[in-house]
Amino acid sequence: NAGVTQTPKFQVLKTGQSMTLQCAQDMNHNSMYWYRQDPGMGLRLIYYSASEGTTDKGEVPNGYNVSRLNKREFSLRLESAAPSQTSVYFCASSASPPGLHEQYFGPGTRLTVT
Amino acid sequence: GQSLEQPSEVTAVEGAIVQINCTYQTSGFYGLSWYQQHDGGAPTFLSYNGLDGLEETGRFSSFLSRSDSYGYLLLQELQMKDSASYFCAVRDSNYQLIWGAGTKLIIKP
Repeated sequence: NAGVTQTPKFQVLKTGQSMTLQCAQDMNHNSMYWYRQDPGMGLRLIYYSASEGTTDKGEVPNGYNVSRLNKREFSLRLESAAPSQTSVYFCASSASPPGLHEQYFGPGTRLTVT
Repeated sequence: GQSLEQPSEVTAVEGAIVQINCTYQTSGFYGLSWYQQHDGGAPTFLSYNGLDGLEETGRFSSFLSRSDSYGYLLLQELQMKDSASYFCAVRDSNYQLIWGAGTKLIIKP
């Protein structure tokens, strides 16, 4: 049972480049989330998906887009990376309704934008 | 605005008891959760309080007072493996988890 998986684990981008972070869960959860975590700070919600086919903005959505490809997969896209997007990105999933239940996290993607 | 306040760092001795406090100010309140994160790792769920009172899970307990907008995590019989950061998080009226900045727990032998 893999839980929540994320790819890649590490990435270095130049300013202006684009990339997509992939996330998949095998726990049959309806809700999925993307967070970023900066040094010495808690997690900040970028986007979430309460169920397949729906996505909503979180606290810090600017500069990001998401796609809920199916029930298992939720991707995060950076269209034009900026140094301010250097962070650790975590994907998570939970049973419905969103935010109420225990969230399960992937191992994270460590992104550096130069 | 929405905010959760917790101490940035707490130091304790192996075998002792430590309490990590969390006060919150959010738009709506639907429960207080605690997560543990080891350096370089992902957060993992520890406990949830939806109602006032104490919840106990093994060596860990969590308390909530909604009238005081306050909660705490109590760790007993501390072990070196408990060295980690601990985050409180509140579910607000928008179905989002709002996170505190985390408390780094340092355990000394």
